[in-house]
Amino acid sequence: EVQLVQSGAEVKKPGESLRISCMASGYRFTSYWINWVRQVPGKGLEWMGKIDPSDSSTSYSPSLQGHVTISADKSISSAYLQWSNMQASDTAVYFCARRGNPLDYWGQGTLVTVSS
Amino acid sequence: QSVLTQPPSVSAAPGQKVTISCSGSSSNIGNNFVSWYQQLPGTAPKLLIHANDKRPSGIPDRFSGSKSGTSATLGIDGLQTGDEADYYCGTWDSSLNAAVFGGGTKLTVL
Repeated sequence: EVQLVQSGAEVKKPGESLRISCMASGYRFTSYWINWVRQVPGKGLEWMGKIDPSDSSTSYSPSLQGHVTISADKSISSAYLQWSNMQASDTAVYFCARRGNPLDYWGQGTLVTVSS
Repeated sequence: QSVLTQPPSVSAAPGQKVTISCSGSSSNIGNNFVSWYQQLPGTAPKLLIHANDKRPSGIPDRFSGSKSGTSATLGIDGLQTGDEADYYCGTWDSSLNAAVFGGGTKLTVL
């Protein structure tokens, strides 16, 4: 059974850094891209970017490039989303999702709250 | 402002059929497959339809998809109260080089 299990909720202050994770199981991790999708509470879905776990090549949404970093560690079948300077506007639920078009399996989501 | 346009809400009675539209352009829907996702309250999105009209294993045939030109439609037949959710269309945009979604449609089963 394909599963994507994400790390737990986080509360951060503006300016702090953070890395959240997505651990995959039930399939060959290097065979499919992992995407990150953001959802501000009460709003719609926004694609942030993706990584090919086989070679760690990445593609980012033009509106977000430079603000976040997507990485992966294929030895432990995990992908990561990282910020170095969080802002209040980063408050959202973050989902990882497998593949591309379509996004066929999703993680349960990680709520990130940024507040002073 | 989402790249793909969906109605904010639709409603229908149990047992009835409802359709949800998704409008885009030649750089997204017009030249790429469309997917549809269901997001029940407080949960992650779930793939309902891929490649315009294909249902993944386990998705009932009450759910259907179609595409024509730069628009796509999700149909849900035999509505149940458990279908109340937000529904999103999604595809790839070849100009933006990014995945794009509609703004979401909230389905209410009256």
